Amino acid sequence: DAKTTQPNSMESNEEEPVHLPCNHSTISGTDYIHWYRQLPSQGPEYVIHGLTSNVNNRMASLAIAEDRKSSTLILHRATLRDAAVYYCILYGQNFVFGPGTRLSVLP
Amino acid sequence: NAGVTQTPKFQVLKTGQSMTLQCAQDMNHEYMSWYRQDPGMGLRLIHYSVGAGITDQGEVPNGYNVSRSTTEDFPLRLLSAAPSQTSVYFCASSRQAGGPADTQYFGPGTRLTVL
Repeated sequence: DAKTTQPNSMESNEEEPVHLPCNHSTISGTDYIHWYRQLPSQGPEYVIHGLTSNVNNRMASLAIAEDRKSSTLILHRATLRDAAVYYCILYGQNFVFGPGTRLSVLP
Repeated sequence: NAGVTQTPKFQVLKTGQSMTLQCAQDMNHEYMSWYRQDPGMGLRLIHYSVGAGITDQGEVPNGYNVSRSTTEDFPLRLLSAAPSQTSVYFCASSRQAGGPADTQYFGPGTRLTVL
């Protein structure tokens, strides 16, 4: 399974944009890039996913590099409720979690 | 739609005891899976099922059994609990069997402590 690399932790101020990076240099052509987040004491929840083109939904935007070797999850205006661990996952055959990025949001 | 439900929420076992963690989904999903999450770590895949009657091992299957007799249910059995199995267990489901564009839906988790 292709591997992803994310920063261990990041901080943001409330109501500011947050850019969460993910490197996946060994991505294969059929792997989708998924982002999930895990709020404290909860199961992971879906945020967004994409294959090649940038994607937007009500929660976030996903920017995918042209060579697909990296991607960035963008939260347009962080709120305190966005404090969570964010996982970048390459999904081809198996759904494999890495350690993720712990996002702290400061009031 | 209840989504993915798990019972119990909490469980304490003694070493050597057996138990079954229950997982059910009401979305008619083909694919179901079990993960464990140790403190400060990401989730690791224990077993998965691509449909009723079909199961397979994930990354950390030792000490666990699964079966899938119906589309809705995917129980996880601990055969002889060990302290190393102390963890939070999450069940997940998705529409297609391993479809990479599919969204995974996770249950709320079962927190298991083995003394």
